[in-house]
Amino acid sequence: KAGVTQTPRYLIKTRGQQVTLSCSPISGHRSVSWYQQTPGQGLQFLFEYFSETQRNKGNFPGRFSGRQFSNSRSEMNVSTLELGDSALYLCASSLPGEWDEQFFGPGTRLTVL
Amino acid sequence: GIQVEQSPPDLILQEGANSTLRCNFSDSVNNLQWFHQNPWGQLINLFYIPSGTKQNGRLSATTVATERYSLLYISSSQTTDSGVYFCAVVIQGAQKLVFGQGTRLTINP
Repeated sequence: KAGVTQTPRYLIKTRGQQVTLSCSPISGHRSVSWYQQTPGQGLQFLFEYFSETQRNKGNFPGRFSGRQFSNSRSEMNVSTLELGDSALYLCASSLPGEWDEQFFGPGTRLTVL
Repeated sequence: GIQVEQSPPDLILQEGANSTLRCNFSDSVNNLQWFHQNPWGQLINLFYIPSGTKQNGRLSATTVATERYSLLYISSSQTTDSGVYFCAVVIQGAQKLVFGQGTRLTINP
């Protein structure tokens, strides 16, 4: 069974640009969550989607948004990039129960110059 | 919100030694997971253990939900065990993992 895949793996952008990251969950998983990891703040929850609906959202500004498609694939978008958005962005998938085990993809490392 | 604290923050051991990593959490949880972050950043699932004890080879984990802590044991450490270990919890009503700050384990040959 294929794991969670994320594209691209690495990305370099400049301040003010926008970026879109993609995540394909494990087959059969319908819940997708996004997390940001930085050296200062650690791993923080961004948002979670199930059946194309955002069920939960973390404490991030509106520049961070996401969506989920009917095949459960998800994208997250960051607009008007800031230097502080440089981070490892991790996607996780799980069965739809709120307590189900989450499985992570390899991440997208975003550098904002 | 719930607080998740891991100790120690750093642990340096010689190959062959045993280690115990601790995770304390401040509220009742419905899910607890242990992860190992590899050098490329991916989180590798070690255990899904909201309560009880599980073992997988040289690794085992115990969660005592009533006392709000979990322990990860690594026996006969190998250099490949080096890396950062995270515990993460889910509380009722929140479809999200809340992570601790991690324990950085270094195993020297």
